[in-house]
Amino acid sequence: EAGVTQFPSHSVIEKGQTVTLRCDPISGHDNLYWYRRVMGKEIKFLLHFVKESKQDESGMPNNRFLAERTGGTYSTLKVQPAELEDSGVYFCASSHLTSGASLDTQYFGPGTRLTVL
Amino acid sequence: AQKVTQAQTEISVVEKEDVTLDCVYETRDTTYYLFWYKQPPSGELVFLIRRNSFDEQNEISGRYSWNFQKSTSSFNFTITASQVVDSAVYFCALLDSNYQLIWGAGTKLIIKP
Repeated sequence: EAGVTQFPSHSVIEKGQTVTLRCDPISGHDNLYWYRRVMGKEIKFLLHFVKESKQDESGMPNNRFLAERTGGTYSTLKVQPAELEDSGVYFCASSHLTSGASLDTQYFGPGTRLTVL
Repeated sequence: AQKVTQAQTEISVVEKEDVTLDCVYETRDTTYYLFWYKQPPSGELVFLIRRNSFDEQNEISGRYSWNFQKSTSSFNFTITASQVVDSAVYFCALLDSNYQLIWGAGTKLIIKP
């Protein structure tokens, strides 16, 4: 079974440009999460999809960030326009089942390292 | 407040030594899950273990063992007879009631040959 994949692995852009990150979850996983780690800080939650719906986007830093998950399969995270403080590693994770009875494990992709110059 | 503290920023030991990575958590939830993930130099986050708040039994998996103590809000991770391949950053995390993982800062473990 293929794991979570992310593309690109590394992106270098200039301030003001737009970047789109992609995440393909494990097949059959309804839950998809985005996290990021900026330099010197802890990994922080950004948002959570259940299928194509945004379950929780409380961690999104501002309206320059837009996440989508059309059709409930892969997800994209767009940063427009990018700022210097957006530099960091963006991780995607997926899990199979989330309910009151069973909280499943989140499996992570390799991350996308974003550098904004 | 929900918080995970990994006070050890970096640990360096010689191969075959035992090493313990500390994790202390704070949560207002009565039901919660704790996790350990490993981040090798390649960068991906690799799931190691999940423990729920109802189960305080210690767990052993090969050279890895975990000690969960609710009384001290700790979930420590021990590697026995460490190997160079164990070198990585190790993260402790708490799953909150909104299904968000709350992460510690990570401990960088260096195993010298």
